[in-house]
Amino acid sequence: DIQMTQSPSTLSASVGDRVTITCRASQTIRNKLAWYQQKPGKAPNLLIFDASSLQSGVPSRFSGSGFGTEFTLTISSLQPDDFATFYCQQYNSYSQTFGQGTKVEIK
Amino acid sequence: EVQLVQSGAEVKKPGESLKISCKGSGYNFPNYWIAWVRQMPGKGLEWMGIIYPGDSDTRYSPSFQGQVIISADKSINTAYLQWSTLKASDTAMYYCARPAYETNGYPPPLDSWGQGTLVTVSS
Repeated sequence: DIQMTQSPSTLSASVGDRVTITCRASQTIRNKLAWYQQKPGKAPNLLIFDASSLQSGVPSRFSGSGFGTEFTLTISSLQPDDFATFYCQQYNSYSQTFGQGTKVEIK
Repeated sequence: EVQLVQSGAEVKKPGESLKISCKGSGYNFPNYWIAWVRQMPGKGLEWMGIIYPGDSDTRYSPSFQGQVIISADKSINTAYLQWSTLKASDTAMYYCARPAYETNGYPPPLDSWGQGTLVTVSS
């Protein structure tokens, strides 16, 4: 099974900050990497697919990059609505896996 | 409008069996994979497995293989997740989710989610 490792596990930031979250795969997954945002008590919401493609309706302050085993999610200017937990997910096989999550907290 | 509506919360005892459901509407149900995702209290997302209702092709995470059964009835646009013997450690929120586009190849990322079914297993 492909393991996905996110860092950091928790991130404290202020409104307006630029935030970067990293996701590393245990083997190459090409660009088959998605990012999700989850708020407490809600289902996850797809932000980014194919490593860098923005899902329809997602604000342009979210961006993704990477290929192979190293990926990043960047929020260019953190907004109050962005405080949540973020997960990466690989889908380069029939058995898919999520990272353990990164919680973005208010500093 | 694409909708996934899951069955209601369940409270069960250890050793009991359970089958929860996820009904899709607003799209061609047989042609889209349906995944199941577990979230234990206060923890992260875990991908359990996925089914293609069109031909019932089912794939499991190694962590959940043999622990649960995923099935679907395309005649009523419904997918299922079932346990034969529940344990306290099965206490979690369970989500079903549908990928962003049709394929019978590697399932794409998940862009439509059910509301979740909370399963509580306690003696």
